[in-house]
Amino acid sequence: GAVVSQHPSRVICKSGTSVKIECRSLDFQATTMFWYRQFPKQSLMLMATSNEGSKATYEQGVEKDKFLINHASLTLSTLTVTSAHPEDSSFYICSARGGPDGYSNQPQHFGDGTRLSIL
Amino acid sequence: GQNIDQPTEMTATEGAIVQINCTYQTSGFNGLFWYQQHAGEAPTFLSYNVLDGLEEKGRFSSFLSRSKGYSYLLLKELQMKDSASYLCAVRGRRDSNYQLIWGAGTKLIIKP
Repeated sequence: GAVVSQHPSRVICKSGTSVKIECRSLDFQATTMFWYRQFPKQSLMLMATSNEGSKATYEQGVEKDKFLINHASLTLSTLTVTSAHPEDSSFYICSARGGPDGYSNQPQHFGDGTRLSIL
Repeated sequence: GQNIDQPTEMTATEGAIVQINCTYQTSGFNGLFWYQQHAGEAPTFLSYNVLDGLEEKGRFSSFLSRSKGYSYLLLKELQMKDSASYLCAVRGRRDSNYQLIWGAGTKLIIKP
């Protein structure tokens, strides 16, 4: 159980392109989803937390107009990297957790990640 | 501030036992998690501790002491496929919510 599907797994595109990444919880309702970015040999960096039906909470230093997050249903969240540039190249990982934020002891389950390369 | 410390890298031999330590200082505590992350892949959940003591799950065990702000992950009968980074994460309070605070990970190298 607790399967999280993330798509696409890899994207290579030109600078200025907008890229949409989907994250789905396949067998549970994800009230909270998290988007992370990870650069090579570095730890996970939380970008934003989203609760279904409400606006995402962005971490300090993450541009909300650059990284658009939509969590319209209990099983789907999307991250759109708008007008991507080479410095946005990274490994983007979503994770999902059921239960209300702050009260649940359920672990976060991760998607397989999306490797984004901007030329 | 909130901080999680774990060794950067460890080396062990196939078939042996290794213990990866994690110490933490957080505002509030609502559980500690261990994840495994192979190179180029997303993390996978290994274990969860919220009360003091040892949780055993096959070859992997995780221990927690809340008074000491300390946990360890114990891997027995090491296999080559156990070569990975092991991430310690603590659910601590930030503002009015709890949030996972991540360690930088311990890269475990298994030698034949």
